[in-house]
Amino acid sequence: GNSVTQMEGPVTLSEEAFLTINCTYTATGYPSLFWYVQYPGEGLQLLLKATKADDKGSNKGFEATYRKETTSFHLEKGSVQVSDSAVYFCAQAGGFKTIFGAGTRLFVKA
Amino acid sequence: EAGVTQFPSHSVIEKGQTVTLRCDPISGHDNLYWYRRVMGKEIKFLLHFVKESKQDESGMPNNRFLAERTGGTYSTLKVQPAELEDSGVYFCASSHLPGTGTTDTQYFGPGTRLTVL
Repeated sequence: GNSVTQMEGPVTLSEEAFLTINCTYTATGYPSLFWYVQYPGEGLQLLLKATKADDKGSNKGFEATYRKETTSFHLEKGSVQVSDSAVYFCAQAGGFKTIFGAGTRLFVKA
Repeated sequence: EAGVTQFPSHSVIEKGQTVTLRCDPISGHDNLYWYRRVMGKEIKFLLHFVKESKQDESGMPNNRFLAERTGGTYSTLKVQPAELEDSGVYFCASSHLPGTGTTDTQYFGPGTRLTVL
């Protein structure tokens, strides 16, 4: 069945470091791909999305490119801030269900 | 535009008690979904409403869980009787119906953290 696999955390970085959180998916068809973020004490927020191959989603300095050939949607940011500390979820939606990865917790140290 | 709201934000109950969670979707969204995240694992789908009808309830864990959406507006998720393994965060999400010119993006609420003691 369809699934999402993302790198296990926690990931700990210093401020201004480069961030990559890997995400791969298995799917029948061509799902839309998403990154959601959950900041401490808050709910899930849509961070970015891509709806077809080679699309790049971007928001708040984060980027992810829909790679059909590698079935990946890796999240990147060039320079993280302490305020980026959160749990990041990769997800796919090919119909009405959204299928999530297990989440990756990011800690950014000042 | 108001987002998806959920009530309560936290609930702590004893095993065997009943709890009812409420979700108010974004106005005009006919699709409403329930998900939950248990013990830091992945967020899993529970069920999907289109207006007041259950479109897919394949993720409901057992018959102790009952979801309703009377009138096609807000939804409730009742757990009766609650068990220890029901502890987790319950998320609600909503989206437009397909064909309305919008994407299949689901907008999530802040979640209800349920603790069963």
